[in-house]
Amino acid sequence: DGGITQSPKYLFRKEGQNVTLSCEQNLNHDAMYWYRQDPGQGLRLIYYSQIVNDFQKGDIAEGYSVSREKKESFPLTVTSAQKNPTAFYLCASKEALANEQYFGPGTRLTVT
Amino acid sequence: KQEVTQIPAALSVPEGENLVLNCSFTDSAIYNLQWFRQDPGKGLTSLLLIQSSQREQTSGRLNASLDKSSGRSTLYIAASQPGDSATYLCAVQGGGFKTIFGAGTRLFVKA
Repeated sequence: DGGITQSPKYLFRKEGQNVTLSCEQNLNHDAMYWYRQDPGQGLRLIYYSQIVNDFQKGDIAEGYSVSREKKESFPLTVTSAQKNPTAFYLCASKEALANEQYFGPGTRLTVT
Repeated sequence: KQEVTQIPAALSVPEGENLVLNCSFTDSAIYNLQWFRQDPGKGLTSLLLIQSSQREQTSGRLNASLDKSSGRSTLYIAASQPGDSATYLCAVQGGGFKTIFGAGTRLFVKA
């Protein structure tokens, strides 16, 4: 059963702690993306990766970091430098030359 | 800089009604436009993708149109059902690998 998995579904952290969100895909897609969604706003791109061992900053990369050591995995770390980390985080992937992105179920992060 | 706007932000209609959701974008140099559905607390599900060379796409009760020159797209939902209640987002892909999303229209279909 192909798809994108994100874990955990809900995550709670204290302010000042780093936290890593998982994103795994078994679709054999080359490109992977991380978006942030806040109430009443569109999705905003955090980081994207077109190929293993390479990634690019999106529009709101400050306070976040990623790695792409394997094709199927693209974890996102929310660092203590991110001033307002509470949000819904969505991971997506697509084939290199295709147009359509496929999304995971999301992780809701709450930092208090 | 590309901006995507969706109007209205929320819409409530009785079951069976036909409805139109609107999406506008500021830069007409796009490769494609995509409509998504999002249920509360869930990820996005792709509904329709229109290439820049196309005028419309249809899937079941859904029809999406694209007018690049005016920077507009509409999503037409025929004979709405309570199960259509969700947030609908449009997204445009321009140069590079970036996709710009609208804030969405929250639809509620009353039984």
